[in-house]
Parts: sequence; C-alpha cells; structure tokens
Amino acid sequence: EAQVTQNPRYLITVTGKKLTVTCSQNMNHEYMSWYRQDPGLGLRQIYYSMNVEVTDKGDVPEGYKVSRKEKRNFPLILESPSPNQTSLYFCASSLTENTEAFFGQGTRLTVV
Amino acid sequence: AQKITQTQPGMFVQEKEAVTLDCTYDTSDPSYGLFWYKQPSSGEMIFLIYQGSYDQQNATEGRYSLNFQKARKSANLVISASQLGDSAMYFCAMSLYWGNNAGNMLTFGGGTRLMVKP
Repeated sequence: EAQVTQNPRYLITVTGKKLTVTCSQNMNHEYMSWYRQDPGLGLRQIYYSMNVEVTDKGDVPEGYKVSRKEKRNFPLILESPSPNQTSLYFCASSLTENTEAFFGQGTRLTVV
Repeated sequence: AQKITQTQPGMFVQEKEAVTLDCTYDTSDPSYGLFWYKQPSSGEMIFLIYQGSYDQQNATEGRYSLNFQKARKSANLVISASQLGDSAMYFCAMSLYWGNNAGNMLTFGGGTRLMVKP
C-alpha cells in the first residue's frame, strides 16, 4: 500500500530536549516536505527536499533541521524544542510539483 | 512569494445541496498548480482535485469540481449534492513549477470549515 508513515503520532516533551520525528515513504517520490498546522494559519511549510541531499527552507524553518540521506526518509529534527513549536506536524511526498501530495497521518507535538 | 486566501472561515450547507468554497491566489509565475485537500476531524489530509494553470478545462472529480478563473486568480471548489461526510476542513493550495520557489511543494490557505446540516 502506497503510504507516508510518520512516527510518533503523539509526543509530549520538555523544553530543550532534542527530538526527531521520522518520515518514510514507499512510493519512490522525489519531493518530500514538512508542514506545521496551527489554528487559523493553515499549513505552513517548514522544509522541503527535491531529492537526496537536496533540501531547502520553507516559510517557517527556524528551530528545525532536516536531512535527506535516502530517498525514502526525511526526518525532522528539533534540536532544542520550545513551547512555540507545539503544533500538528505533517510530512508529505509527491512525485513532481504538479502531482498530488500524499500526507502522513500527522504528529501532534506538545512542548512544555 | 505566492499566497493563497480563503475568505470563508466556516460555512453551513444543507445536505444534498451544492456549495462553493472560495479560493483566491496570488503569484507572478505563469506555471503553477492548484489543489484542494480535505481534512476530516480525524486529522488526515485527503487530496480532492487538481488544476494546472495551463489546463483549458475546469477539473472535475466525481462530486468535486474546480471553478478556475485564471484572470481573476480564483480556484473555487464546488461540491455538488453535499453529504454529511463532507463536513470537514477544506484547504486550497498552490505549487509552482519553475522559478525560485519551484520544488517547495505546497503553499496553503487558512482553510474553510464546512458543516453539512441534515
């Protein structure tokens, strides 16, 4: 089954404790991206990747890091999480820019 | 930079009636794609429909159609014969094919919450 898998689905952590949210897709897609969703703001792009070792900042990259060492994986790293990073996070992948994006199920992160 | 605006934070529609969700966009790039996604209360993002900027005809997918008016930069979603299961958040999004932001996938609007009344 074609899918994007994020882990964990739910995470509560404390300020400053490094964490990684994993994302994996099994569709051999070139493009992958991370978004955060906050009430009233829709989804905002954090980082995106057009291929292995090719990543770039989206609209809200501060406080986040990513890597794309393999085509299928695109982890999101929060080196020192802060409460303003409490949000719902989505990973997505697509074959090209003009094809549908497949989304993971989301990761609800709470930073206390 | 591109921008998507959805001016309707929330809408009600009677079951079995049609409803239009508004979306306007702003970009100076000639090549782009427009998407609509549905987010039910369970949280997943479901792709509904796609329109390319060079497509001559409006896209349709079952009960969903996209009213694309390029000169007005609008890409409204029309849902015909609403069903209770259509109650959800709906997001309009845009991607650019070329230029400085190509490859950054999607820019989203703020969303419209649709509520279908029985």
